[in-house]
Amino acid sequence: ILNVEQSPQSLHVQEGDSTNFTCSFPSSNFYALHWYRWETAKSPEALFVMTLNGDEKKKGRISATLNTKEGYSYLYIKGSQPEDSATYLCAFKIGNEKLTFGTGTRLTIIP
Amino acid sequence: DVKVTQSSRYLVKRTGEKVFLECVQDMDHENMFWYRQDPGLGLRLIYFSYDVKMKEKGDIPEGYSVSREKKERFSLILESASTNQTSMYLCASSLTRAGGYTFGSGTRLTVV
Repeated sequence: ILNVEQSPQSLHVQEGDSTNFTCSFPSSNFYALHWYRWETAKSPEALFVMTLNGDEKKKGRISATLNTKEGYSYLYIKGSQPEDSATYLCAFKIGNEKLTFGTGTRLTIIP
Repeated sequence: DVKVTQSSRYLVKRTGEKVFLECVQDMDHENMFWYRQDPGLGLRLIYFSYDVKMKEKGDIPEGYSVSREKKERFSLILESASTNQTSMYLCASSLTRAGGYTFGSGTRLTVV
């Protein structure tokens, strides 16, 4: 089983501040990188699916970048709000096979 | 709105019981997946299916089986429940192999 590593494991951020966290994955045979947001008592929700090196995607205040050559992706949240509190999961795919998930970054926004 | 429905939110079963976890999607998705989530571990893939009557083992299939008789329904079966199968079980589906997943809300199973 190939490893996806997410850091930090948890993070507390003041409301209004911006933040970012990292997903590291094996760079060989890369196919796709997914980001999901998982709020407590809800289903994980897809944020981004990224496939190309240098890809940048944005959804409101959340954006993500992808570097497939060095095997990492960053997720950025600008101007954090209480509703951003969630666990953020990344997952990668090699050669169009199954998705392998990281353990997530648990983000708590402090009002 | 795309939907994946898992039949039970919470379930308590006894050791040795045969347990069925049901998952239904209404989006005509080809691909369906069963994961379990345990503290400190990422979502781990149990079984998946890319077509009706097709199934493939994921990373941790031992003690589980699946059934996909119809496109919209993917059932996870615990043949003889054990306490180490106490976990949160998540079903997901995707339209294409490259696409994002839509998850159900999960079933928290406790085996006593």
